[in-house]
Amino acid sequence: GAVVSQHPSRVICKSGTSVKIECRSLDFQATTMFWYRQFPKQSLMLMATSNEGSKATYEQGVEKDKFLINHASLTLSTLTVTSAHPEDSSFYICSATGGSGLVGFGAGTRLSVL
Amino acid sequence: GDSVTQMEGPVTLSEEAFLTINCTYTATGYPSLFWYVQYPGEGLQLLLKATKADDKGSNKGFEATYRKETTSFHLEKGSVQVSDSAVYFCALSAANTGNQFYFGTGTSLTVIP
Repeated sequence: GAVVSQHPSRVICKSGTSVKIECRSLDFQATTMFWYRQFPKQSLMLMATSNEGSKATYEQGVEKDKFLINHASLTLSTLTVTSAHPEDSSFYICSATGGSGLVGFGAGTRLSVL
Repeated sequence: GDSVTQMEGPVTLSEEAFLTINCTYTATGYPSLFWYVQYPGEGLQLLLKATKADDKGSNKGFEATYRKETTSFHLEKGSVQVSDSAVYFCALSAANTGNQFYFGTGTSLTVIP
């Protein structure tokens, strides 16, 4: 249980374009999804928390207009990096939690902005 | 607020050596404690967990005991292998903080033959 699929695993894009990352819970309903960002050789930093059907809660310092999060269903959340720039290059990981303590992590998306 | 402090690396060991990675935590509630492993180029994989005091999590020869009195969850393995080379993250999660995970900074382990 608690299988989470994250797609794509790697994306390379030009500066100024937008990139969408999907996070799906495959075998459970995820009432809450978290998005993390990992800088090289550093730990994971929470970017935002999203609950199905409501607006995401962003951590301090995270630009909500740059990192758009949608949690439209109990199995899908998306993170869109708008007008990406090289400084947005990073490893992004999602986490989904459901009932009975179910927790799963996606495999991560490595974003490289040229 | 809740936080995790983890032994800094990198750690380099010879094959079959004993491994300890220290982890201590601060929490206002009653957290569950985890060790996650990240192999090169991959995402996080749950290695083991413990949900209450004195619980011992174990998997693949790794062990960690939830010590409330010392607020610790040290990771140990008696004999490491080259395939254990990875980054290890200690983490906590608690219901009173919305099940958000708080991660340590990660410890890079390299095991040499």
